[in-house]
Amino acid sequence: KQEVTQIPAALSVPEGENLVLNCSFTDSAIYNLQWFRQDPGKGLTSLLLIQSSQREQTSGRLNASLDKSSGRSTLYIAASQPGDSATYLCAVIKIKAAGNKLTFGGGTRVLVKP
Amino acid sequence: DGGITQSPKYLFRKEGQNVTLSCEQNLNHDAMYWYRQDPGQGLRLIYYSQIVNDFQKGDIAEGYSVSREKKESFPLTVTSAQKNPTAFYLCASSIGQGAYGYTFGSGTRLTVV
Repeated sequence: KQEVTQIPAALSVPEGENLVLNCSFTDSAIYNLQWFRQDPGKGLTSLLLIQSSQREQTSGRLNASLDKSSGRSTLYIAASQPGDSATYLCAVIKIKAAGNKLTFGGGTRVLVKP
Repeated sequence: DGGITQSPKYLFRKEGQNVTLSCEQNLNHDAMYWYRQDPGQGLRLIYYSQIVNDFQKGDIAEGYSVSREKKESFPLTVTSAQKNPTAFYLCASSIGQGAYGYTFGSGTRLTVV
């Protein structure tokens, strides 16, 4: 059974510092990995999708890497801003005939202090 | 703009009552999903549907029911058999089985009064 772990569970940094969020998974036979952002009381906003054949994806200040062999993904947020405060979730996707294909980590709650 | 619309945003249910949460998408996605989110437990899959007129139970389907009569719509009914329905409910969709990722709605907060 796939297990996804995000460490740390919470993170507080001063504005301008770079953020490093970690995601690890136990089953390396994944199809792709997706990072989401969730603001309090809101839905999930997709940040980046990394296909299993890719090593990284970038969008603006965000960069996500994927190392399938070691079961790890890292989300980097450069020059953090107070507006980056949110919970960040990683999810691994496995294509299979039936059952749950998307497994989430528990999330990292980020606070960026002005 | 394409996306997923969930309604209502807040819903209150009395004991013994059935309530229905709406989920509509205009992304032309084949598959749709319902997740439940509780503090400290992450997201858990309730039901999913890969094509119209077909749906499958997820990990926590007891006390819930769904229908998929149209590609765009996947309503979730929380029945009186669900003993602890207070939670945040999220609807999602994907092209096929998720090779291009998942898109989520803004959620419905259900509270038992």
